[in-house]
Amino acid sequence: SQQGEEDPQALSIQEGENATMNCSYKTSINNLQWYRQNSGRGLVHLILIRSNEREKHSGRLRVTLDTSKKSSSLLITASRAADTASYFCATDERGGANNLFFGTGTRLTVIP
Amino acid sequence: ETGVTQTPRHLVMGMTNKKSLKCEQHLGHNAMYWYKQSAKKPLELMFVYSLEERVENNSVPSRFSPECPNSSHLFLHLHTLQPEDSALYLCASSQDYTSDRAVYAFFGQGTRLTVV
Repeated sequence: SQQGEEDPQALSIQEGENATMNCSYKTSINNLQWYRQNSGRGLVHLILIRSNEREKHSGRLRVTLDTSKKSSSLLITASRAADTASYFCATDERGGANNLFFGTGTRLTVIP
Repeated sequence: ETGVTQTPRHLVMGMTNKKSLKCEQHLGHNAMYWYKQSAKKPLELMFVYSLEERVENNSVPSRFSPECPNSSHLFLHLHTLQPEDSALYLCASSQDYTSDRAVYAFFGQGTRLTVV
């Protein structure tokens, strides 16, 4: 399966701390994306990193990609209570159609 | 607001009922998707439509029947469901299905389906 797997499954931190989530996948990819989902709602795209990129920033988000290890990390700096949500990585297979394969997500709780 | 709207937001149905989920996007996207999200499982891609043609059908039981009458609308017709079909059903759209460009998916808020 191409599906990404996030680690840890759940993470609880204090407001102001940094949160790091990891994603591993199995086959060659075109891109890797991170999405956020508030409880029982739809997913919202956060950031995309291409397979030839190693690091990308967007506001308080920092994403890294290591294609040799088939892994990615999402760092949220200076976390806020509003960051409480589930975070998913999604990959699309190199040379394939643009189907996105998601993992089970990391549930982040930021305690005020 | 992502530009993808799903109705209804919540649905309770009996195993003998027939119901439909609706998804609408006015983003000018060419591809639309149905995903199933069950607790503690990865999102499951169910169906993909590209330019109103079904291009993916990932071994989904026939009690789920998709329909894409035009590029802006996608339906999921449900009949004789089982309790294990209870889940959050998410619709998504993207600019293209097969493309060398990076593809972002825009998701609706989902329909929380409970089969009793």
